Amino acid sequence: DAMVIQNPRYQVTQFGKPVTLSCSQTLNHNVMYWYQQKSSQAPKLLFHYYDKDFNNEADTPDNFQSRRPNTSFCFLDIRSPGLGDAAMYLCATSSDRSEQYFGPGTRLTVT
Amino acid sequence: AQTVTQSQPEMSVQEAETVTLSCTYDTSENNYYLFWYKQPPSRQMILVIRQEAYKQQNATENRFSVNFQKAAKSFSLKISDSQLGDTAMYFCAFMKGETSGSRLTFGEGTQLTVNP
Repeated sequence: DAMVIQNPRYQVTQFGKPVTLSCSQTLNHNVMYWYQQKSSQAPKLLFHYYDKDFNNEADTPDNFQSRRPNTSFCFLDIRSPGLGDAAMYLCATSSDRSEQYFGPGTRLTVT
Repeated sequence: AQTVTQSQPEMSVQEAETVTLSCTYDTSENNYYLFWYKQPPSRQMILVIRQEAYKQQNATENRFSVNFQKAAKSFSLKISDSQLGDTAMYFCAFMKGETSGSRLTFGEGTQLTVNP
């Protein structure tokens, strides 16, 4: 089945230790998104790729970076995680003017 | 900028009954899409239903239907014959009808609990 996959599902990192979350898709969608979601809140868009074009949201901290080496994969790098970065990170994909399809999320814990 | 408002933080319904979740939005766009997403305790975001603004007919997906009032900028979700598995956070979302990377604007969410 075509889908959006996120690895790992749970990630524990230490304060200040870089961490990478990954997302892959078999939908062949040209747009990929990264969201941060904290408890009982709506997802907050961090950035998205339209094909290879990177689009950063104005209020996304510099601590968050992303890479998209090919159509299928996208990575979220957190360079120096703080306690406030503990959250669920959701990856989503879409094609032009279509709904977004979400992965199961990675729950990040910062100790 | 677009805004989406869900005025009901929490709702509950008895199994097999009908419940309606409210959503209003504000936009100056004429071409857009509206969605309801469901997020159960697993935190997986699942698309429930989609409505194109240019369509007058309300979208329906099995037990889920919407009441889309374009002039009033209202987009409510009706769940018929509620099931225990419908317990989830429900997000209303807006998307402009542009081509290059369509952002979703979410409402604050409504936590729905279906009671046995």
